Amino acid sequence: DTGVSQDPRHKITKRGQNVTFRCDPISEHNRLYWYRQTLGQGPEFLTYFQNEAQLEKSRLLSDRFSAERPKGSFSTLEIQRTEQGDSAMYLCASSQGLAGRTDTQYFGPGTRLTVL
Amino acid sequence: AQSVTQLGSHVSVSEGALVLLRCNYSSSVPPYLFWYVQYPNQGLQLLLKYTSAATLVKGINGFEAEFKKSETSFHLTKPSAHMSDAAEYFCAVPEGGYQKVTFGTGTKLQVIP
Repeated sequence: DTGVSQDPRHKITKRGQNVTFRCDPISEHNRLYWYRQTLGQGPEFLTYFQNEAQLEKSRLLSDRFSAERPKGSFSTLEIQRTEQGDSAMYLCASSQGLAGRTDTQYFGPGTRLTVL
Repeated sequence: AQSVTQLGSHVSVSEGALVLLRCNYSSSVPPYLFWYVQYPNQGLQLLLKYTSAATLVKGINGFEAEFKKSETSFHLTKPSAHMSDAAEYFCAVPEGGYQKVTFGTGTKLQVIP
């Protein structure tokens, strides 16, 4: 069990550029989650996948944000036309889920995005 | 919508003293409650999870939390603080569907030698 990994760990970009983050979940986990965490706040839910299906998206996920999990394994989160307000830590988590219960989510180390 | 409130964004305790971090949930009894810990520059790690099977939940690193319906609380405690406990602690609850988890704003614990 190598845990959840995220790449890159840090990303600095200029306003208006596109960025893409990758998350590799724990191998046998069927659910994958993305959160955003800003300074002094708890993580905020963005979206989650069950296998390759994106089942829920937060209102926080504007049309500049898109997430994919094409083969039900790794996932990518893309932010287009970045804004300074997008600066945050982006956390990925995974779980082995059953219907009708809240799984324990295992978190990666996060990707810290700074938009200049 | 279900939510949690963490009172005290910063808590300082002396090494060896009792740790008490507060979490209150909103109105309805949730099926689950969580405490996570976040060490600097690391992801969140689950400390413990309430599943309604027992009101007193024991977690890792000597932490425990007691679910009190009458007080809508799920406070985190540890009898004796260690320097290694210095971190940020988050209470969390499922919101609506089971998979969307809402986190509190966090409490930073400082342990003074």
